[in-house]
Amino acid sequence: GAVVSQHPSWVICKSGTSVKIECRSLDFQATTMFWYRQFPKQSLMLMATSNEGSKATYEQGVEKDKFLINHASLTLSTLTVTSAHPEDSSFYICSASRLQETQYFGPGTRLLVL
Amino acid sequence: AQSVTQLDSHVSVSEGTPVLLRCNYSSSYSPSLFWYVQHPNKGLQLLLKYTSAATLVKGINGFEAEFKKSETSFHLTKPSAHMSDAAEYFCVVSEGLTGGGNKLTFGTGTQLKVEL
Repeated sequence: GAVVSQHPSWVICKSGTSVKIECRSLDFQATTMFWYRQFPKQSLMLMATSNEGSKATYEQGVEKDKFLINHASLTLSTLTVTSAHPEDSSFYICSASRLQETQYFGPGTRLLVL
Repeated sequence: AQSVTQLDSHVSVSEGTPVLLRCNYSSSYSPSLFWYVQHPNKGLQLLLKYTSAATLVKGINGFEAEFKKSETSFHLTKPSAHMSDAAEYFCVVSEGLTGGGNKLTFGTGTQLKVEL
């Protein structure tokens, strides 16, 4: 149990375009989902926390107009990188938790902006 | 505020020898502590967690960690390393009881290399 999936696993896009990444909890209802960003050989940095049906809470320094997060259901959250630029290239990882239980992580999405 | 310090960025061991990955934490509250493992280009897998129960926590794949409040440490150990253990390991702290709805703070990671 406690499986979290992400789609796509890889995405390459042109600078200026928008990219949507999906995060799904496959076998449980996730009341809270988290989005992280990981640069090569670095740790994970929390970008935002989203509760189902509520607006996401962004960490300091994360542009909410650039990284749009939607948590429309208990099994799906999406992260949209708007007007992507090469500096947005990174590994994006989501996690999900039910009520106050342990966070379970997705496999990550690697974004490359050309 | 909470923070985690992983004392070694790289650890290299021979297959069959013990593994020790060191972690110290700082937290204003009684923390929950976790160890996650990340294989190349993969997501994170939970190895074990401490949530104020037994101080010696056993996890998957033969790993265990001991919570020592007096030393603010949560070191990860394994008696005998296997080639498949080679990966990046993250020590993580949460000020919530379970780390579920609460913010996780990650250490900078320790790259474990296992040699024949």
